Amino acid sequence: DAGITQSPRHKVTETGTPVTLRCHQTENHRYMYWYRQDPGHGLRLIHYSYGVKDTDKGEVSDGYSVSRSKTEDFLLTLESATSSQTSVYFCAISGGQGGYTFGSGTRLTVV
Amino acid sequence: QKEVEQNSGPLSVPEGAIASLNCTYSDRGSQSFFWYRQYSGKSPELIMSIYSNGDKEDGRFTAQLNKASQYVSLLIRDSQPSDSATYLCAVTGGTGGFKTIFGAGTRLFVKA
Repeated sequence: DAGITQSPRHKVTETGTPVTLRCHQTENHRYMYWYRQDPGHGLRLIHYSYGVKDTDKGEVSDGYSVSRSKTEDFLLTLESATSSQTSVYFCAISGGQGGYTFGSGTRLTVV
Repeated sequence: QKEVEQNSGPLSVPEGAIASLNCTYSDRGSQSFFWYRQYSGKSPELIMSIYSNGDKEDGRFTAQLNKASQYVSLLIRDSQPSDSATYLCAVTGGTGGFKTIFGAGTRLFVKA
């Protein structure tokens, strides 16, 4: 998606290992968000940031941490990956019409 | 009770028909309402936003909001096979503040 990129696109990792997902934006937006998407649950907010070094928890934050050292980068870390964290992860920034623009997503599999 | 509820579908309509997608929300203080389209394996894409009661039209799409009934709908006129996707309803405001709450989505199939 224009202005927001996620990496990696796919990742397979083992239970108990740390994993970091990266979101990069070129839109200079103050707010950035991490969501996970699972069948039957829709998109659920993990963490969000409202500025450099300013972050807060969402509804499903257990087992996740985030960091934002620059306006353009928002990192999501799974401290010790578990199978329940197998999901598709989306980063988002505020877009037009008051809604969000999403990154392309990261499909994470924890084995 | 889920905060934002949608029928998971699938909803199947013939090409050229009107597809009607519905969403209800629980927080009466909600202020902003959105519809996203998500193709399989892709990220959600914002297609409509609505903030006040009534209808809002954009091309073949019409969003309808009824705050008294806590109900939002999306009508797709002259449905095309390319409209086949999952449609996510999202709500912002109320007790959640600026945070957006998403429904689980309705799968739509448009048959050629």
